Amino acid sequence: QKEVEQNSGPLSVPEGAIASLNCTYSDRGSQSFFWYRQYSGKSPELIMSIYSNGDKEDGRFTAQLNKASQYVSLLIRDSQPSDSATYLCAVKPWAGSYQLTFGKGTKLSVIP
Amino acid sequence: GAVVSQHPSRVICKSGTSVKIECRSLDFQATTMFWYRQFPKQSLMLMATSNEGSKATYEQGVEKDKFLINHASLTLSTLTVTSAHPEDSSFYICSARAKGAGTNEKLFFGSGTQLSVL
Repeated sequence: QKEVEQNSGPLSVPEGAIASLNCTYSDRGSQSFFWYRQYSGKSPELIMSIYSNGDKEDGRFTAQLNKASQYVSLLIRDSQPSDSATYLCAVKPWAGSYQLTFGKGTKLSVIP
Repeated sequence: GAVVSQHPSRVICKSGTSVKIECRSLDFQATTMFWYRQFPKQSLMLMATSNEGSKATYEQGVEKDKFLINHASLTLSTLTVTSAHPEDSSFYICSARAKGAGTNEKLFFGSGTQLSVL
């Protein structure tokens, strides 16, 4: 069974610090990787997508992918209280698939 | 960005009744709709995938006769929870893939429906 694993947290960081969120996946053939932010009672919102090994930066967010280690991470620089949410890692299993497998999410709390 | 409208946002019903949840793509044509269920502190679990004009494909363990999915048009998909029971209480979310989108195109999520069965 294909799995996506995340530390459920909560992860607490002070305002202005870097938050580091990690995710591992079991299917070595996975092609596409996504980070979603979900506020309580709301639907997920796409933050980042990454398809190739290395880093991808978008504003305060950096996604990192290491396919050899089956590991993907999300860094949030200059964390703000508004970043407090649950972050879901999602993996698309193969190139022709449209389905996503989600991790359970990591709850992030940014302390003012 | 593309908008997926999901209604209702919250529904409370009695055990044994049926509930219909609608998902509409407002400014694009959605050839594929995904329906997810999320229990508290759990991740989104894919229930079924529906393509416009064809029968939905259900994930293992999801009862197709209980969770009826209709995707009759390129802009509307519905999920009907039939004979709902308290264990069906959950957060249901739809997501849509736009027509012509490649496999790396992002999915657009509805705002979710919180179902509470008494």
